[in-house]
Amino acid sequence: EDQVTQSPEALRLQEGESSSLNCSYTVSGLRGLFWYRQDPGKGPEFLFTLYSAGEEKEKERLKATLTKKESFLHITAPKPEDSATYLCAAGVYNQGGKLIFGQGTELSVKP
Amino acid sequence: DAGVTQSPTHLIKTRGQHVTLRCSPISGHKSVSWYQQVLGQGPQFIFQYYEKEERGRGNFPDRFSARQFPNYSSELNVNALLLGDSALYLCASSLGQALGDEQYFGPGTRLTVT
Repeated sequence: EDQVTQSPEALRLQEGESSSLNCSYTVSGLRGLFWYRQDPGKGPEFLFTLYSAGEEKEKERLKATLTKKESFLHITAPKPEDSATYLCAAGVYNQGGKLIFGQGTELSVKP
Repeated sequence: DAGVTQSPTHLIKTRGQHVTLRCSPISGHKSVSWYQQVLGQGPQFIFQYYEKEERGRGNFPDRFSARQFPNYSSELNVNALLLGDSALYLCASSLGQALGDEQYFGPGTRLTVT
């Protein structure tokens, strides 16, 4: 069964304290790995798509990387405004536009 | 450009009633997908529609149905509501059904069933 698992479930950081979020996936055929940010009570906001192992993408303090079994979202020198839930999702071949989401990592950055 | 819009924002229904949720995709996007997100969990796929045809269906009962209109907007219908249907319902649009198409989400409709 296709599955996406994120860890940790919650992460508390001090402002400026860098860290990484993990997304492990077990799917029959990955066509894309997607990262989203979700603020409380709002819809997910698209961040990155990664298509092949070794690919990296960056946006401000965020960098996403992909291997054959997992993806990492690295957060460098985070600020309080980076506090949110970060979701990863796998798109799978032969399943159209369906995205399989992990349960999310709730990030809290304290000043 | 306007993003994905959804209506209503919030909705309170009683068990056994039915509900219709609406979604307008980003201009130019032809694919709409629906997801259910229960508090503390990631979104779960319900349906995908592309060019007015159902292209994918998640593991949800037949009480859930959807359709897409010629202008690519979409409706999600849920009949015989149960308490467990309480959730945030998200609509996402993408350009097409091509591999790797990025999906952009709307703000969601918060459904509470009492």
